[in-house]
Amino acid sequence: DARVTQTPRHKVTEMGQEVTMRCQPILGHNTVFWYRQTMMQGLELLAYFRNRAPLDDSGMPKDRFSAEMPDATLATLKIQPSEPRDSAVYFCASGSSGGWLDEQYFGPGTRLTVT
Amino acid sequence: QKEVEQNSGPLSVPEGAIASLNCTYSDRGSQSFFWYRQYSGKSPELIMSIYSNGDKEDGRFTAQLNKASQYVSLLIRDSQPSDSATYLCAVRTSYDKVIFGPGTSLSVIP
Repeated sequence: DARVTQTPRHKVTEMGQEVTMRCQPILGHNTVFWYRQTMMQGLELLAYFRNRAPLDDSGMPKDRFSAEMPDATLATLKIQPSEPRDSAVYFCASGSSGGWLDEQYFGPGTRLTVT
Repeated sequence: QKEVEQNSGPLSVPEGAIASLNCTYSDRGSQSFFWYRQYSGKSPELIMSIYSNGDKEDGRFTAQLNKASQYVSLLIRDSQPSDSATYLCAVRTSYDKVIFGPGTSLSVIP
């Protein structure tokens, strides 16, 4: 049963602390997406990678957010320093991008609370 | 104009009825269209994808695409209480980006 996994599932931290979220995409998928979801803004694309190369990170606040794929089985999203407005659910999704397909399979999410 | 628009709802239908969910998009060059279902507190789940004009059926779900009108819809036949969720429309644009709509909340009343 192939699934996207994310850790941690829940994170509570204080403002100013560093937060690292991890994602393991489905084996064989070559595209990884990071999203943030809030009630007010809905689902926002933060960054995405194809074959481990970053293709678009225009949705990320560059001064505090960073996303990397150190290898094909791990994607990370880091926030430093965190702020209360970063409180949201962060989803990772993976897909197998062959031209115009781009079906995405979502992980369970990391619920982040910054106090 | 937002790139992908949906009625926010909530849309309420009685059990057994047809639920109709609508989505419009702004990029005329878009080629791929998706419907995701998201239960409260859960992650989005892909339920349908459609790439050509016309209808695509999968069980109780039918996706309809009209590229000339830049319109995609999802019909759910014989709606069940378990279909109560938020439905997200997603569009792969001509500039290589998948954009999600804000979602429509569906409530199926027993």
